[in-house]
Amino acid sequence: SYALTQPLPVSVALGQTARITCGGNDIGSKNVHWYQQKPGQAPVLVIFSDSNRPSGIPERFSGSNSGNTATLTISRAQAGDEADYYCQVWDSSTQVYVFGPGTKVTVL
Amino acid sequence: QVQLEESGGGVVQPGRSLRLSCTASGLTFSTYAMHWVRQAPGKGLEWLAVISDDGSNEFYADSVKGRFTISRDNSQNTLYLQMVSLRAEDTALYYCVMAARYEFDYWGQGTLVTVSS
Repeated sequence: SYALTQPLPVSVALGQTARITCGGNDIGSKNVHWYQQKPGQAPVLVIFSDSNRPSGIPERFSGSNSGNTATLTISRAQAGDEADYYCQVWDSSTQVYVFGPGTKVTVL
Repeated sequence: QVQLEESGGGVVQPGRSLRLSCTASGLTFSTYAMHWVRQAPGKGLEWLAVISDDGSNEFYADSVKGRFTISRDNSQNTLYLQMVSLRAEDTALYYCVMAARYEFDYWGQGTLVTVSS
């Protein structure tokens, strides 16, 4: 079955840029979606189809996807960006949906 | 605005059954695929099952295939998850999720299922 990898905790200084990666075999050929989950809350979609932002998501959130790695970039990080971030794909060969293990982002 | 409200969670003994429900409002329920996603305490997200907008197709994660059944009633804007032969490892917060395409657009707040003797 298709598997996704994500780094363990990521720290970023206030106002700086955080990059969270999502690894998978030829993930560049798939659409990758990203979710933000704050403690005690349901996840929120922040990027869909590699690089698109839903309505209401700040432009500071961006995404890219190529080869075996997709990346979520948080520019000008704010304290409110502290959360767990999950990547997700749909595996067409098995018709199942896959989440990455998640990355905890801390803003220092 | 879109609202998804899950119900039916609780404490259940191993081997028993439970049915979760999710009532949707604020969007045309019958035009969206619907999913169940769960999150064990302190763990990540795990996709469980999807049902197509008209209920004609269902797919499951291997971890629940044969034990869980997803269904929907478009006339009642309601999604269901029938769970049988529950195990301790099924203990989790269960989310109802609405999807227009292959990403998860709207999430409920979840209902907690605890499997314990």
